[in-house]
Amino acid sequence: SAVISQKPSRDICQRGTSLTIQCQVDSQVTMMFWYRQQPGQSLTLIATANQGSEATYESGFVIDKFPISRPNLTFSTLTVSNMSPEDSSIYLCSVEMDRETQYFGPGTRLLVL
Amino acid sequence: LAKTTQPISMDSYEGQEVNITCSHNNIATNDYITWYQQFPSQGPRFIIQGYKTKVTNEVASLFIPADRKSSTLSLPRVSLSDTAVYYCLVGGRGRRALTFGSGTRLQVQP
Repeated sequence: SAVISQKPSRDICQRGTSLTIQCQVDSQVTMMFWYRQQPGQSLTLIATANQGSEATYESGFVIDKFPISRPNLTFSTLTVSNMSPEDSSIYLCSVEMDRETQYFGPGTRLLVL
Repeated sequence: LAKTTQPISMDSYEGQEVNITCSHNNIATNDYITWYQQFPSQGPRFIIQGYKTKVTNEVASLFIPADRKSSTLSLPRVSLSDTAVYYCLVGGRGRRALTFGSGTRLQVQP
């Protein structure tokens, strides 16, 4: 298994600003993923982040809005840019471990006013 | 990716066995079936994974019929702490990212 931490755990932001969410893993992993979970809804994949290459974004998500960094095998950041109230959500990172199962971080709860 | 269908919600009482069935009619040959559990304010947690027949671990059992078009997660003797949302996912090992369906909200009553 893996221990995953996210910072911040929650934040309240003003529209038009940006927030960077950090994801730290206690072991080296190849694949990291970022998901969004809107209130009362299921999880939606935003992008896959591989170390040393550009992130791969899912349909409906673009790099200008959600830039991702993956500087090493234990760390990644997701930035939510030019935020609007529609971006209010929980953002989760996950990592792939053995047998292609994933372990999730606790999430970052974002409220945009 | 194979689409999954599960009941939106289920209710149970402590000590009962709970079975949650997921249908995935379009499952592909190389797809595995994985179940996750999510508590409020937490990320999903892996419960169990299987390909065919039956898989059992310390938490749950997973029953997969021969045609693999459905699967059933079985939780023995549930307790209040099993109240959570349970997600059934189907995916091949070539695609690592997960596609979550709507999940089943299980409420366990005393």
